[in-house]
Amino acid sequence: AQSVTQLGSHVSVSEGALVLLRCNYSSSVPPYLFWYVQYPNQGLQLLLKYTSAATLVKGINGFEAEFKKSETSFHLTKPSAHMSDAAEYFCAVSETSGGYQKVTFGTGTKLQVIP
Amino acid sequence: DVKVTQSSRYLVKRTGEKVFLECVQDMDHENMFWYRQDPGLGLRLIYFSYDVKMKEKGDIPEGYSVSREKKERFSLILESASTNQTSMYLCASRLPITGSNEQFFGPGTRLTVL
Repeated sequence: AQSVTQLGSHVSVSEGALVLLRCNYSSSVPPYLFWYVQYPNQGLQLLLKYTSAATLVKGINGFEAEFKKSETSFHLTKPSAHMSDAAEYFCAVSETSGGYQKVTFGTGTKLQVIP
Repeated sequence: DVKVTQSSRYLVKRTGEKVFLECVQDMDHENMFWYRQDPGLGLRLIYFSYDVKMKEKGDIPEGYSVSREKKERFSLILESASTNQTSMYLCASRLPITGSNEQFFGPGTRLTVL
């Protein structure tokens, strides 16, 4: 069965500092991996996704993530945090299960950006 | 611009009431999903539908039912609302062709059951 672990339910960074949000997954087959962002009082929107085309994936708003099979990780990074990055971030894994594409979400990481 | 809309942003109901949450998407997506989101628990799948009139239980279906009579509309029903169903409810849709297709989410309905 697939699962997703996000280390750290809350992460605080200073404006301009590196953002690193961690995600580890378990999957019995090569997975599809996603990062979503949720701004206050909104639904989730896609930041980026890994579909096996390239291990380093670039997304919107300057975010990127690297797929590391040996570490079963898909950490999200951004070189310089901006105040507008304050939000909750969810990692998700998708794989075929029982004939359907099942998506499992992590528990989320709230990012606080300190001025 | 793709869109998933939910009938209410905020809803307050009383214990025992029947509650309908409506979701509409304009992207002609086959797959639709209902999640509930609770602090520290992330998103948990309640039900999903891979096509019209089809439905499958997710991880936490107890106390809920769904209806998908038209492709664009997926309804979540709380037959008899209880206080432990106070939560944020998120609807999503997706093309089913491959697992690499992302989900598109509505803005959510924050339901409070008193």
